[in-house]
Amino acid sequence: DIQLTQSPSSLSASIGDKVTIACRTSHSVNNYLNWYQQKPGKAPKLLISLASNLQSGVPSRFSGSGWGTEFTLTISSLQPEDIATYSCQQSYSLPWTFGQGTNVE
Amino acid sequence: QVQLMESGGDVVRPEKSLRLSCETSGFRFNSYVLHWVRQAPGKGLEWVTFISADGTSKQYTDSVKGRFTISRDISKNTVYLQMDSLRSEDTAVYFCVREGTHYDFEYWGQGTLVSVSS
Repeated sequence: DIQLTQSPSSLSASIGDKVTIACRTSHSVNNYLNWYQQKPGKAPKLLISLASNLQSGVPSRFSGSGWGTEFTLTISSLQPEDIATYSCQQSYSLPWTFGQGTNVE
Repeated sequence: QVQLMESGGDVVRPEKSLRLSCETSGFRFNSYVLHWVRQAPGKGLEWVTFISADGTSKQYTDSVKGRFTISRDISKNTVYLQMDSLRSEDTAVYFCVREGTHYDFEYWGQGTLVSVSS
């Protein structure tokens, strides 16, 4: 199985800050890496697919980059509604696996 | 709009069975892969199983192989998860998910809670 490790596990930031979350995979996944946002008690929401493709309706302050084993999710200017847990997920090989999540406070 | 609505979650004793249902609407049911993804309390997300658009291909994570069975009923636009021999470690919120264009989890239901406890 491909293991995904996110860093940091949690972070505290101020409104307007630039936030960067890293996701490292144990084997190359090319660009089959997706990012999700989850708020407490809610289902996850797909933000970015194929490492850098922003989903329709997702604010442009979110961006993704990376290839192979190193990936990054960036929020250019943190907004109050961005307080959530962010998870990466690989869809390169079965079983699909997720990172442990990063809690943005 | 795309909607997925899970039901069937309950509190059950170990070794018992439970069947979850996911009723879908807003898209062509037999054109999309459907998944179940679970989240144990306070933990991360875990992919459980998927069924292909035509229902002929199914895959499971190792921990549920031989115990869980996914199926779909095109006449009801519904996907099911039959869970047998339940264990305490199966306790989680179970989400029904429609796959997107790039093997991503594009649309999610609200989830249904399964609690396995003696």
